[in-house]
Amino acid sequence: SAVISQKPSRDICQRGTSLTIQCQVDSQVTMMFWYRQQPGQSLTLIATANQGSEATYESGFVIDKFPISRPNLTFSTLTVSNMSPEDSSIYLCSVVAGEGYTFGSGTRLTVV
Amino acid sequence: AQSVTQLDSQVPVFEEAPVELRCNYSSSVSVYLFWYVQYPNQGLQLLLKYLSGSTLVESINGFEAEFNKSQTSFHLRKPSVHISDTAEYFCAVSLGSGGYQKVTFGTGTKLQVIP
Repeated sequence: SAVISQKPSRDICQRGTSLTIQCQVDSQVTMMFWYRQQPGQSLTLIATANQGSEATYESGFVIDKFPISRPNLTFSTLTVSNMSPEDSSIYLCSVVAGEGYTFGSGTRLTVV
Repeated sequence: AQSVTQLDSQVPVFEEAPVELRCNYSSSVSVYLFWYVQYPNQGLQLLLKYLSGSTLVESINGFEAEFNKSQTSFHLRKPSVHISDTAEYFCAVSLGSGGYQKVTFGTGTKLQVIP
């Protein structure tokens, strides 16, 4: 299965600023997914990112708040823009690999 | 659209006792089913999956799950738990056709193994 390197692992940010999260995969993958896991809750899909096309966002998530880049088949970034304390969550990327989905180790974001 | 229900938010169990974590799904089409485990302060790890074929699937650390289409369930079981099994377990579903698609997660079950 694929191995995902996700950075940063954690960060503490001031409200109103932006943070860009990176995911690097050790193999080429068509689809990458970005999830959010709010404290004490399950994972919620933010968007699906395909290389060469705009990301597809789920209901409740917009591109202006969570812009995504997918410049090639092994890399993607998610930016959390104009952050507020409500954005404090774990953010994870995921790819389809082999016969399942592999997840990055997550970025634990705290907005103060 | 598919959905997943995990009926128990927390399950305490004594060490070496059996455990069952319940998962029910809803979908009008065929599905893929997964169990993921999240240890404290760590990312998600795939525990086991059902794609097709045998309805009983097993993991390398003694867990098993059975796909029951008539009951739309995919319960996770282990005959004897260890302290190291303390973690949060997520059941997940995706559509089983048209290639891999987005995964919908249940709300998670926290398994607490008591010494």
